[in-house]
Amino acid sequence: SQTIHQWPATLVQPVGSPLSLECTVEGTSNPNLYWYRQAAGRGLQLLFYSVGIGQISSEVPQNLSASRPQDRQFILSSKKLLLSDSGFYLCAWNPGTAQETQYFGPGTRLLVL
Amino acid sequence: GESVGLHLPTLSVQEGDNSIINCAYSNSASDYFIWYKQESGKGPQFIIDIRSNMDKRQGQRVTVLLNKTVKHLSLQIAATQPGDSAVYFCSEADSSYKLIFGSGTRLLVRP
Repeated sequence: SQTIHQWPATLVQPVGSPLSLECTVEGTSNPNLYWYRQAAGRGLQLLFYSVGIGQISSEVPQNLSASRPQDRQFILSSKKLLLSDSGFYLCAWNPGTAQETQYFGPGTRLLVL
Repeated sequence: GESVGLHLPTLSVQEGDNSIINCAYSNSASDYFIWYKQESGKGPQFIIDIRSNMDKRQGQRVTVLLNKTVKHLSLQIAATQPGDSAVYFCSEADSSYKLIFGSGTRLLVRP
């Protein structure tokens, strides 16, 4: 069966510090991968998605970037965090075709102080 | 732009009653819809989906209804239980790789 992991689970970082959040998927190959951000009490905002290694599509201009160095690894990064980067970051995958259910990881809660 | 929205931000129901959560969508090209449940501090969990060639689909205690004429989607939960308390999101997809999520409805189950 497929499993999706995210780490860390919780992170407190000072403004201006770098960020690296990691997401990995097990039990599948060639998945589509997604990064979302969720503000407290709000819906999900799609940040990036990837349909293959090295292929990244950005949905909103922002202080973040994404990379996919391996088939089942998706990384969300920032060189300098802003207060507004605080939120709940969710990684998701689906089986590599359009119009398929996305399956979410447990999330990383980021607090920028 | 195209969007998915929800009619009620919070729904409070008595344990044992049926719950109905509604959702409106505006992208006429959307032909695949998914309901997710999100408990506090966790990632969204798939509940049920429906494609546009169907009007109704049933799962265990849950039913999704799709009315393409008025672009309306609903999730019905039978015999609501305390464990059903969560935020519920509808989402829509067209032929792209992306899902568009609504803002969510919080379901509160009163004992």
